[in-house]
Order: sequence, then structure tokens, then C-alpha cells
Amino acid sequence: KAGVTQTPRYLIKTRGQQVTLSCSPISGHRSVSWYQQTPGQGLQFLFEYFSETQRNKGNFPGRFSGRQFSNSRSEMNVSTLELGDSALYLCASRPETGVVGEAFFGQGTRLTVV
Amino acid sequence: AQSVTQLGSHVSVSEGALVLLRCNYSSSVPPYLFWYVQYPNQGLQLLLKYTSAATLVKGINGFEAEFKKSETSFHLTKPSAHMSDAAEYFCAVTYTGGGNKLTFGTGTQLKVEL
Repeated sequence: KAGVTQTPRYLIKTRGQQVTLSCSPISGHRSVSWYQQTPGQGLQFLFEYFSETQRNKGNFPGRFSGRQFSNSRSEMNVSTLELGDSALYLCASRPETGVVGEAFFGQGTRLTVV
Repeated sequence: AQSVTQLGSHVSVSEGALVLLRCNYSSSVPPYLFWYVQYPNQGLQLLLKYTSAATLVKGINGFEAEFKKSETSFHLTKPSAHMSDAAEYFCAVTYTGGGNKLTFGTGTQLKVEL
């Protein structure tokens, strides 16, 4: 089985722009979560989607949003980018029958805001 | 609220020596605990998980961890370090009813020296 695929791997954007990141989960996985990783704040949970519905949300401003499609693929969007949004964004998927919290991560999208 | 504390942001061991990475958790309900490893420019890979089935958990690459409720600890060990073990290690916690939101520790960078 193919793993979690995130595109693009690297991205450079300018302050004030918006960006969309994509995540394709492992085949058969319907839960997709997003995390932000920065040197200062570490790994922080953004949100989780299951069957196209947001099931859980972290403590991030409304500029961060996401969605999930019927094929379980997910996108996250960040509007009005700030320098502090520079981070590695990780997507993770899990099967319905998996252990609570057990997640399979993609390689991430490295976003640099200049 | 759940949290994990990883003692020691950097640990250095000699090749062949014991690896011990410390993780203490805080949870008001029975936790699910995980160790993940991250290699440079990569996502997170699950090493092992504790789900209350057994207190001593064996994972991949020769790693294991022991859940000690009395000490609220879930330390990661490996009897003999290998150069390929050099990476960053993260302890994470969640719980039933917490959705699949993982709360991560700040990470421990493991260096393996010849």
C-alpha cells in the first residue's frame, strides 16, 4: 500500500498570500489529521477530518482551514500568510479500526513565508 | 488535559551503548502513549504504542518502552545503539474520547557517536 502522500513537498510564499496544501491518505483510511511543526512550538494539532466532516480542531486562528473530499483526500488552506506560519505541515491518516491516536504520517510540506 | 514531558532535548550515546529516552505523561484518564521517530526532512514514523494491553511494549528497530503508572512514565530504550538510530524522537499521548488528537512532547534529538 502506498503511504500518505503530501504535495507539494516544498513551498515558498509571500506574506499576505494564501496557500493550499494537499494530502492523500493511505487507501482505506477515512480519518485525516493535520499538524504544524515549528522549532519554537513543536508539533501542534490543527484539525482532524473524518468522512468529510471536521471532527476535532486545535487552537489555531480562523486563517487555518481544511476540508476533506469524498475520496478522503484532504486539503488545508492558510490565508493571509504571516512569517510565523513558516513550518513543516504534516498530514496523518488512520484506519477506522486502528488504535485511538495511532497515525501514519506523510513526509510533510515545508512552507516558507518570506 | 493530557501532556507529555520529555526530559533532555539532546541525548548523545556511543554506538553499542544503551539508549534511554525519557517521557513522563500527565493524564486524568487512562492514556494511550506513543513513540514516534523523525529523520531529517521526513515525517514521523511510529516506533511503538501503549494501549493498556501490556506494560512492556516492543516496537520496531529493537526499541521498547515500559508503561509505569506509578511513575507516570513511558521511557524508550534500546539495548545497543546503532548509527542509524540518530534522529529525533517524540513521545505522544491521547485518550479514549480525545478523538485522534495527539499531544506531543518537545522531542529528544539522539546523537550516536563512534
